[in-house]
Amino acid sequence: QQQVKQSPQSLIVQKGGISIINCAYENTAFDYFPWYQQFPGKGPALLIAIRPDVSEKKEGRFTISFNKSAKQFSLHIMDSQPGDSATYFCAASSDNQGGKLIFGQGTELSVKP
Amino acid sequence: ETGVTQTPRHLVMGMTNKKSLKCEQHLGHNAMYWYKQSAKKPLELMFVYNFKEQTENNSVPSRFSPECPNSSHLFLHLHTLQPEDSALYLCASSLMTATDTQYFGPGTRLTVL
Repeated sequence: QQQVKQSPQSLIVQKGGISIINCAYENTAFDYFPWYQQFPGKGPALLIAIRPDVSEKKEGRFTISFNKSAKQFSLHIMDSQPGDSATYFCAASSDNQGGKLIFGQGTELSVKP
Repeated sequence: ETGVTQTPRHLVMGMTNKKSLKCEQHLGHNAMYWYKQSAKKPLELMFVYNFKEQTENNSVPSRFSPECPNSSHLFLHLHTLQPEDSALYLCASSLMTATDTQYFGPGTRLTVL
């Protein structure tokens, strides 16, 4: 019940296209859903995060869509650029359960020029 | 230096060696974390420290021994490791809790021969 399942494992998108990465969870106590971006040789960095009181959050070309009833959330990258090529991790946590972040397996995104 | 730094960046050790990983954060944070990152697997939380006190040990084998002398420094002491312990070890910090934005260091790539 603590798992966060992420798909796909890898994704290839053409420059200018839309990249979509999906995550699903079981624990209904989760109330914080961040996405992290990791470039080779670097640690993960927070990209965008959402709380379940909203269904969508947008920051520039990055959007999180959240479906509370389906227990799913997704990251959309609009107008994908080669510089977006990285590994993306979704995560979830619950303030009431210690706030420990549970990460998905990661998605390796490659944006082709 | 700024952010979260980790040394060494790469480490090769034999199963009978003793070594230590070091993490330092220059962000004024009060919570620090050790994560293990293995290929194709989710990041695994190992230890959490809040205000120098250990608040989480995620069933980590005793061959990994953390130390937090102050809020800015975190160590991971290693002894009699196994080849399956080879991974990227990431340190992170956050202001107070796990749901505050976590800032990651670049990691130490550990290889156990």
